[in-house]
Amino acid sequence: AQSVTQLGSHVSVSEGALVLLRCNYSSSVPPYLFWYVQYPNQGLQLLLKYTSAATLVKGINGFEAEFKKSETSFHLTKPSAHMSDAAEYFCAVSGGYQKVTFGTGTKLQVIP
Amino acid sequence: GAGVSQSPSNKVTEKGKDVELRCDPISGHTALYWYRQSLGQGLEFLIYFQGNSAPDKSGLPSDRFSAERTGGSVSTLTIQRTQQEDSAVYLCASSLGGGGQSTGELFFGEGSRLTVL
Repeated sequence: AQSVTQLGSHVSVSEGALVLLRCNYSSSVPPYLFWYVQYPNQGLQLLLKYTSAATLVKGINGFEAEFKKSETSFHLTKPSAHMSDAAEYFCAVSGGYQKVTFGTGTKLQVIP
Repeated sequence: GAGVSQSPSNKVTEKGKDVELRCDPISGHTALYWYRQSLGQGLEFLIYFQGNSAPDKSGLPSDRFSAERTGGSVSTLTIQRTQQEDSAVYLCASSLGGGGQSTGELFFGEGSRLTVL
């Protein structure tokens, strides 16, 4: 069995400030982890993924995430928020033959 | 095709009518998922196919909802006797499937927006 917990359904940051979106997972097999982003009125697209290579993963638009096995975490960060980062972000886990499981999502608001 | 294709992109129907939503996954993708996204809400899992079988259909909200997949490819989500609360965007996604070299990365379609009047 696997699950994902995203802390904070809504996060607000000032433009230029650090973005930190939290994701914790549980999995009975070595996990693959993903962050997807959904911009307003658009579909979901892959932001970045962890597939058991480097634990620090870099994605599009300056985002990165670090896989920490000891903490069962895969938090998403960006050093400096931009207005265009306003979107909903979903963390997901997969592994073995189990279906992909999504978290409940975090809406990021960027304040000018 | 190059990506996941969903049709129709928009559907307006009257309460009580049946609707069919179609998903054409990426060629070779064995896993197929349906999700629902109501206005301002997150992703609601509906059903998961591996090939033509559905190991997990726990997310289907009621017996008015059904889905099938034929030939390991195209899937149809059917909603019978639609209700206003069925109004949402229905998203389809596919992946190479579990196990082996597959990571489970999902590729999403643009969705079918259903409005029930």
